[in-house]
Amino acid sequence: AQSVTQPDIHITVSEGASLELRCNYSYGATPYLFWYVQSPGQGLQLLLKYFSGDTLVQGIKGFEAEFKRSQSSFNLRKPSVHWSDAAEYFCAVGGDGGSQGNLIFGKGTKLSVKP
Amino acid sequence: DGGITQSPKYLFRKEGQNVTLSCEQNLNHDAMYWYRQDPGQGLRLIYYSQIVNDFQKGDIAEGYSVSREKKESFPLTVTSAQKNPTAFYLCASSISGTNYEQYFGPGTRLTVT
Repeated sequence: AQSVTQPDIHITVSEGASLELRCNYSYGATPYLFWYVQSPGQGLQLLLKYFSGDTLVQGIKGFEAEFKRSQSSFNLRKPSVHWSDAAEYFCAVGGDGGSQGNLIFGKGTKLSVKP
Repeated sequence: DGGITQSPKYLFRKEGQNVTLSCEQNLNHDAMYWYRQDPGQGLRLIYYSQIVNDFQKGDIAEGYSVSREKKESFPLTVTSAQKNPTAFYLCASSISGTNYEQYFGPGTRLTVT
């Protein structure tokens, strides 16, 4: 069965420090991978996506993610975190054709930023 | 500006009442989705629709109903049969049923007491 695991429920980093949020997926075919961000009480905003090609993808707000097929991972990174990055981050996977465009979401990682 | 509108932002109902959550999009997207979000649970798919006048159950459809009479509208009814209706509800859309890139509305927080 398809699944997405975000091992870290809550991460705290200092402003200006680097960030890596982990995402592992279980999928039979080549996955389509996404990272979304959610501020409290708001909808989800797409940060970046991977469909094919270059395994390092750039997104909005200075985020990037690397697809590693051998590790079934799609970790999100940012070199220098800003206080405004505090939010919850969701990894999602789709793409087996049979699920008709549906995404499977991880349970999220909440990011706190220390001044 | 194109986007997805959900109204109202906050909704309060008494137990035993049905309630309908609105979702409208002006992105000209064919596919629309309803998710439920509970703390620590991520997003769970309730219903989805790939085209007007057609919809399918998601993972947690029990106690919910939908309609898709217009391309731009996909209302969700939370019925009295839903045992734990208090949650944050998110509507999303994508260009087509085979395009996985989904765009989300701002959500509706439903509280049932």
